[in-house]
Amino acid sequence: NAGVTQTPKFQVLKTGQSMTLQCAQDMNHNSMYWYRQDPGMGLRLIYYSASEGTTDKGEVPNGYNVSRLNKREFSLRLESAAPSQTSVYFCASSVDDKGETQYFGPGTRLLVL
Amino acid sequence: AQKITQTQPGMFVQEKEAVTLDCTYDTSDPSYGLFWYKQPSSGEMIFLIYQGSYDQQNATEGRYSLNFQKARKSANLVISASQLGDSAMYFCAMREALFRNSGNTPLVFGKGTRLSVIA
Repeated sequence: NAGVTQTPKFQVLKTGQSMTLQCAQDMNHNSMYWYRQDPGMGLRLIYYSASEGTTDKGEVPNGYNVSRLNKREFSLRLESAAPSQTSVYFCASSVDDKGETQYFGPGTRLLVL
Repeated sequence: AQKITQTQPGMFVQEKEAVTLDCTYDTSDPSYGLFWYKQPSSGEMIFLIYQGSYDQQNATEGRYSLNFQKARKSANLVISASQLGDSAMYFCAMREALFRNSGNTPLVFGKGTRLSVIA
């Protein structure tokens, strides 16, 4: 099992460009999440998907969109990147949204110039 | 108000000694879960230990134990016999409303404590 995988590992964008961060899990989990991690801020939830076909906003959803493509895949899209979106992005999954443990991917480092 | 507070930005511990990382939380929900994650310099988030609000005993996982004091709303992580590989950022997190049938119950993280183990 690969667990939670994320692509790309690292990306540099110019302000205004768009991109999609991909996330997939092979643990048959129902719930998936996107977080961002900034220095001194810990992890903050951007969006989550409790189950296939549903998505909900987290603490910091502005400037992002998500798609739960199927049970395995949950993508995060930046339509018009801004320097404030420079961060490390983590995808996570859990059995359900009340599951005890979330399992995290390796992260994507995004730099917006 | 912050839901999770980790008051120690950085900690140092001698190899083979025990260390306690502090975490206090704020919730009015009777059903919640507390988690600790480790983030080494390589960046991945590694789940360490979980404590449910209704659990009668403190959680333990190998060298990790959780000192759960419900009345004080604290969930401190104790690492026994520290190893050089324990040097990392440690995050405390909470999930509220574990048994509700609907609603958003995300993990809320503290800002972390950087632990450095000295040989």
